[in-house]
Amino acid sequence: ETGVTQSPTHLIKTRGQQVTLRCSSQSGHNTVSWYQQALGQGPQFIFQYYREEENGRGNFPPRFSGLQFPNYSSELNVNALELDDSALYLCASSLASSGNTIYFGEGSWLTVV
Amino acid sequence: AQSVTQLGSHVSVSEGALVLLRCNYSSSVPPYLFWYVQYPNQGLQLLLKYTSAATLVKGINGFEAEFKKSETSFHLTKPSAHMSDAAEYFCAVSRSGAGSYQLTFGKGTKLSVIP
Repeated sequence: ETGVTQSPTHLIKTRGQQVTLRCSSQSGHNTVSWYQQALGQGPQFIFQYYREEENGRGNFPPRFSGLQFPNYSSELNVNALELDDSALYLCASSLASSGNTIYFGEGSWLTVV
Repeated sequence: AQSVTQLGSHVSVSEGALVLLRCNYSSSVPPYLFWYVQYPNQGLQLLLKYTSAATLVKGINGFEAEFKKSETSFHLTKPSAHMSDAAEYFCAVSRSGAGSYQLTFGKGTKLSVIP
């Protein structure tokens, strides 16, 4: 149990639609990051938020966007869904002084049809 | 730029045998290194991490890993495999220093344990 919770756990969307995934960080953690894990692959870094500002981004197009709220919960938004967006989306939280220990949630499985 | 290579996408061992999962990294700066485990349909669980203290790192469930700078390796071992160790294992690297939370993962090694 990492204290990081994500919702929904599973969802199916149609190509072209938009999706919002939610994450509640472990209590007191001020940094949240999102990862995409395609089937059979390792997770890939999408972006990171610290104190409500994006402060790091991986190689993902602008249709992947996010928010971090004052209570450190977070959202990942994906517009104009493509079939290749089908993946497990993982949220991770951490505390700046924790020596880079990052705690992952169980993930949200997104299927685009 | 950082990268991780995990040798062997699938490793099979007998119950009670030594587990050795290989990880080599590339980093232009002193790295932090991690091993995570993922059970089917679950998220990632941290096994252990190296953050420039002791080079031999002990983790949960009897796993340990040794940081070898000369070989740019961080292999994961466990003396005796248990059926419950069957899972996928990911090695990851990040930059050292506070605020560096971008992990670069390897492609993973699926461990099967044969009774």
